[in-house]
Amino acid sequence: KAGVTQTPRYLIKTRGQQVTLSCSPISGHRSVSWYQQTPGQGLQFLFEYFSETQRNKGNFPGRFSGRQFSNSRSEMNVSTLELGDSALYLCASTFGRGTGNTEAFFGQGTRLTVV
Amino acid sequence: DAKTTQPPSMDCAEGRAANLPCNHSTISGNEYVYWYRQIHSQGPQYIIHGLKNNETNEMASLIITEDRKSSTLILPHATLRDTAVYYCIVRSSNTGNQFYFGTGTSLTVIP
Repeated sequence: KAGVTQTPRYLIKTRGQQVTLSCSPISGHRSVSWYQQTPGQGLQFLFEYFSETQRNKGNFPGRFSGRQFSNSRSEMNVSTLELGDSALYLCASTFGRGTGNTEAFFGQGTRLTVV
Repeated sequence: DAKTTQPPSMDCAEGRAANLPCNHSTISGNEYVYWYRQIHSQGPQYIIHGLKNNETNEMASLIITEDRKSSTLILPHATLRDTAVYYCIVRSSNTGNQFYFGTGTSLTVIP
């Protein structure tokens, strides 16, 4: 079956602009989580959505937001882009929630460059 | 979630077994040990996970000590394509589907 699909793969934006990234989870998976990866900070958790509700949030400013649709597809938005937002943004798809016994499957990521 | 400690880097000869250690001395009884790997600039790839019993799948084996304070990921016959950063993660149900990634072990398979 198809894996996790993230679009676009690459993006270049200018400081001050906003950007929307998309993630389509594995069919049947209802949880989508987002991560930011930078060389200095490594992989950091942004937020998790399950059944269209944000369930968990990492330590990021309010410029980072997301949503999940009824078909489990998710989008994340970053407003007022800063140079430091340049990163690989990863989406992870999980079938359920509430147990530690469920693996997450990651997409290939969106490489965002802010100039 | 419990913190994990991994060596920053390791080398392994091609065709030999790669044994990647992980220390998780503060692990709780309901926390699982997960292993992921990330090849440069790609998304992390799930390898294996376990609670207390040893686990094996087509990619690797996971050996968890009886006291669960450490584990070893074994790649039985390493190939050049196994060169990647390997992350050991301890995860409970208390944090939903959030995974805490540390700095991992950079494994280099040498021809």
